[in-house]
Amino acid sequence: NAGVTQTPKFRVLKTGQSMTLLCAQDMNHEYMYWYRQDPGMGLRLIHYSVGEGTTAKGEVPDGYNVSRLKKQNFLLGLESAAPSQTSVYFCASSYHEAPTSGANVLTFGAGSRLTVL
Amino acid sequence: DAKTTQPNSMESNEEEPVHLPCNHSTISGTDYIHWYRQLPSQGPEYVIHGLTSNVNNRMASLAIAEDRKSSTLILHRATLRDAAVYYCILRSSGGSNYKLTFGKGTLLTVNP
Repeated sequence: NAGVTQTPKFRVLKTGQSMTLLCAQDMNHEYMYWYRQDPGMGLRLIHYSVGEGTTAKGEVPDGYNVSRLKKQNFLLGLESAAPSQTSVYFCASSYHEAPTSGANVLTFGAGSRLTVL
Repeated sequence: DAKTTQPNSMESNEEEPVHLPCNHSTISGTDYIHWYRQLPSQGPEYVIHGLTSNVNNRMASLAIAEDRKSSTLILHRATLRDAAVYYCILRSSGGSNYKLTFGKGTLLTVNP
């Protein structure tokens, strides 16, 4: 059981380039999330999805786009990368016992380290 | 979302118990208390969660104050592999809450 898989694990971009981070989960989870982690900042939510075909903005959505065309995949896109987007990106997924259960638990991927020069 | 307050860092010795505190004075009645940890160069990992009663699992115990304004994560016998950043998070039920907000957490150092 792979859980949550992120690709690529590492990537170096030049300013202005575009790229897509892929997150795949094999647990049939409804909810998926993208976070970024910067030194001293904890994890900040970028975008999330409550189901196939739906996405919503988190705390820091600017400069990113997402898509959830298939239930098991959640893509994070950078259309024009900036040095401020240098970070470690984590994808997570969760299954809600009830539509808005506070007992919901997240399973995270191993992270994707992105450097923008 | 209600906020949590944790010490920036704590230190422990191997094979001794560790008590990691978390204050959440503005917790609401439907907020669950969750703990995650993040080992170096890895993604966060779920540890435990609870609502009102103390909880135990194979990884840790969660002690929740009677007024729910604070909680403590207990590692019964710390190992070197427990060295990580520990996050205390409140997760509310109802409304449109699908988000989990992480703060800066507590960096736990375990000495051999």
